[in-house]
Amino acid sequence: GQNIDQPTEMTATEGAIVQINCTYQTSGFNGLFWYQQHAGEAPTFLSYNVLDGLEEKGRFSSFLSRSKGYSYLLLKELQMKDSASYLCAVSDSNYQLIWGAGTKLIIKP
Amino acid sequence: SAVISQKPSRDICQRGTSLTIQCQVDSQVTMMFWYRQQPGQSLTLIATANQGSEATYESGFVIDKFPISRPNLTFSTLTVSNMSPEDSSIYLCSVEHRDAGELFFGEGSRLTVL
Repeated sequence: GQNIDQPTEMTATEGAIVQINCTYQTSGFNGLFWYQQHAGEAPTFLSYNVLDGLEEKGRFSSFLSRSKGYSYLLLKELQMKDSASYLCAVSDSNYQLIWGAGTKLIIKP
Repeated sequence: SAVISQKPSRDICQRGTSLTIQCQVDSQVTMMFWYRQQPGQSLTLIATANQGSEATYESGFVIDKFPISRPNLTFSTLTVSNMSPEDSSIYLCSVEHRDAGELFFGEGSRLTVL
């Protein structure tokens, strides 16, 4: 079967750094996506990785290792507005998106 | 980017009734997707709506329960038929950006079935 695993919840402090991990087992791989979803709102696209390595975009970076079936989202200089759920999704061999259940990130002052 | 409007944003429905959710996009798109997101769970694709053809349903979802219309390239509707409390969920409409997988989502429709 196809599976995406990510922690259910994480807590971090304002101004700090947090890493949210995602592991996947899918039939084929055509890219991994990270989405941010604030409570009561729609998900919004954050990043896309299809090759191994780190993609940096401002305070957010995303890393991919295809051989390990592993990705992480790194958030630096955390702000209170970063409190949200972070969804990992993988595009499989049929370009179908397989979604993780999301990681709820709680930022404390 | 695409701007997607969904209606209703939320509703409380009685068991056995049906509700139609509307999705309007500000640009023409080939494919529109309907997702369900139950509390604390991942997004689940219900179906892909293509203009001019029948929607393609994912395993576990059938047309009789979730009829979809796609009359043109900017609009789609999803009906949740004969609702039960298990249908209480957020229903999201989405469209693809340039690259497969980069999706824009509507604000979602939160349905509560009593």
